[in-house]
Amino acid sequence: QKEVEQDPGPLSVPEGAIVSLNCTYSNSAFQYFMWYRQYSRKGPELLMYTYSSGNKEDGRFTAQVDKSSKYISLFIRDSQPSDSATYLCAMSAWRVTNFGNEKLTFGTGTRLTIIP
Amino acid sequence: GAVVSQHPSRVICKSGTSVKIECRSLDFQATTMFWYRQFPKKSLMLMATSNEGSKATYEQGVEKDKFLINHASLTLSTLTVTSAHPEDSSFYICSATYWTGGVGTDTQYFGPGTRLTVL
Repeated sequence: QKEVEQDPGPLSVPEGAIVSLNCTYSNSAFQYFMWYRQYSRKGPELLMYTYSSGNKEDGRFTAQVDKSSKYISLFIRDSQPSDSATYLCAMSAWRVTNFGNEKLTFGTGTRLTIIP
Repeated sequence: GAVVSQHPSRVICKSGTSVKIECRSLDFQATTMFWYRQFPKKSLMLMATSNEGSKATYEQGVEKDKFLINHASLTLSTLTVTSAHPEDSSFYICSATYWTGGVGTDTQYFGPGTRLTVL
């Protein structure tokens, strides 16, 4: 079993729809969670990060973390064609003693297409 | 803020030659830089972690003599693919963090990637 599971899609939705992207994980030490967006042939771009359980909102994006269920989500409201990309969840254990060298564990990415 | 650049963005070389890829943090001093490799439609595979002035820490299965990493300053790390072969063709991406000990300060910011094609 992979440490992080993410539905690879592809996922196609009409413009304006609400998109829900999800990841599950098995390592209970993870406490720092991120979502990255990656356009084709480009590096990943950080969208959201959250620490421990809870919700965080930034514009049209909302990140949710449920540590009890080991489940994280990213919601995109009023989806736009420019949101078409691959979305990667990532997480780490975040230990101060690692002095910033903490590795990220990535999901496989979900390919999202917003249809105009 | 937190901009990371890579150079070159694309390189084509002949088999047997060496290729150097630069990773720079433009507006912050990177305490750690990471090098990843990504195959088409696949997720990122961590190759190595490097800190300024120290030897890089390579992931299991990554040949340190083939993929030379130098982290000479807090804003520059280089990856040299030595004696490149067609199977080394891939998308190489670096990331950088500026760790201060606070929560979230080890967030990784990624460069735009370098596409290497070995003929």
